[in-house]
Amino acid sequence: DAGVIQSPRHEVTEMGQEVTLRCKPISGHNSLFWYRQTMMRGLELLIYFNNNVPIDDSGMPEDRFSAKMPNASFSTLKIQPSEPRDSAVYFCASSLDWDEKLFFGSGTQLSVL
Amino acid sequence: RKEVEQDPGPFNVPEGATVAFNCTYSNSASQSFFWYRQDCRKEPKLLMSVYSSGNEDGRFTAQLNRASQYISLLIRDSKLSDSATYLCVVPGRGSQGNLIFGKGTKLSVKP
Repeated sequence: DAGVIQSPRHEVTEMGQEVTLRCKPISGHNSLFWYRQTMMRGLELLIYFNNNVPIDDSGMPEDRFSAKMPNASFSTLKIQPSEPRDSAVYFCASSLDWDEKLFFGSGTQLSVL
Repeated sequence: RKEVEQDPGPFNVPEGATVAFNCTYSNSASQSFFWYRQDCRKEPKLLMSVYSSGNEDGRFTAQLNRASQYISLLIRDSKLSDSATYLCVVPGRGSQGNLIFGKGTKLSVKP
């Protein structure tokens, strides 16, 4: 079975550019989560969706970050404009429901120069 | 107290050793707890759920101490393949689904 699929695996961009990260959750999972991981702060929840509806976006750092889930099989996380401090690994995860175990994608390593 | 705290380690142990990690949490209303394992440059993967009565899976035992607000993970007979970072996960305050990950405890098992 395919797991959570994220793209791209690596993204290198220059400050000020728009970055779009993509995620395909496991089929049948109702909840989708976006996390960011850095050495300093560990894994931080940015936003999560339940049945395609954003439930909690309190972890989104600022207005430069936005996330959408237009349907049950696709979500995007967009950063516009990007800044060097956004450099991190961004993970997408899905679960059957909000209180079930999380299945993570392989992550996107983002470097903003 | 922080929402979740872990000793970052590293814990360097020989093969066959028994090692234990603790994780403290602040939200006394928390009901669900988990341990995840993360290998270097990989995604986290669920290792164990932590039940109020404790949970054992082979060489791994997870326990919950509500009075002192900590959970523990015990690994017996350590294998080289156990080398990884172990992340403690607890529900955060606020909305349901807000899972808080600890920064992890790094374990290195040596021959």
